[in-house]
Amino acid sequence: DTAVSQTPKYLVTQMGNDKSIKCEQNLGHDTMYWYKQDSKKFLKIMFSYNNKELIINETVPNRFSPKSPDKAHLNLHINSLELGDSAVYFCASSRSGTTDTQYFGPGTRLTVL
Amino acid sequence: GENVEQHPSTLSVQEGDSAVIKCTYSDSASNYFPWYKQELGKRPQLIIDIRSNVGEKKDQRIAVTLNKTAKHFSLHITETQPEDSAVYFCAASKAGTYKYIFGTGTRLKVLA
Repeated sequence: DTAVSQTPKYLVTQMGNDKSIKCEQNLGHDTMYWYKQDSKKFLKIMFSYNNKELIINETVPNRFSPKSPDKAHLNLHINSLELGDSAVYFCASSRSGTTDTQYFGPGTRLTVL
Repeated sequence: GENVEQHPSTLSVQEGDSAVIKCTYSDSASNYFPWYKQELGKRPQLIIDIRSNVGEKKDQRIAVTLNKTAKHFSLHITETQPEDSAVYFCAASKAGTYKYIFGTGTRLKVLA
């Protein structure tokens, strides 16, 4: 009965590869997010989606392409992985917009070699 | 652009003492201020939040205060315990923006 889930938990890959991270929430929320947390623990918003529509794209390289097939899912595809993409990626959701509690997924630790 | 500054970046306290973490936000239209606790290797989890129409909120050993005029809000943890050791993040948001602005985090260590 996990509220926000992500797969995989760990991802180790070579530079130049393409990889995807999947996120699902069973809270009935309208808004979903992707965050990147670097080695210094800074939490940086990447994308916000509301009702499957992209709302926020925080100057993320276009190698990152989010896709929301429905309100409960928000996936992140990354092309041509670079060393600097190594980080923990968190998915999150909130009921509607940003004046409600945000729930985070467990994170995906991506290591690019 | 919007910004949230958080201080201190690290904080060590003796068990039983109080800890205070302070944040300042730049956008005066911000109206929701959550605090998250992130334990090592885990996800951030909400511990307390406050909305702009309230000046203070308390939940057992944790309290948050908000000064809208000064655009400051603070987290207060009393009677700290070793399990309070974690990284704490403040955030600010406003309705309709679909974006939370996070502070840079405070690593709290409670020494037994």
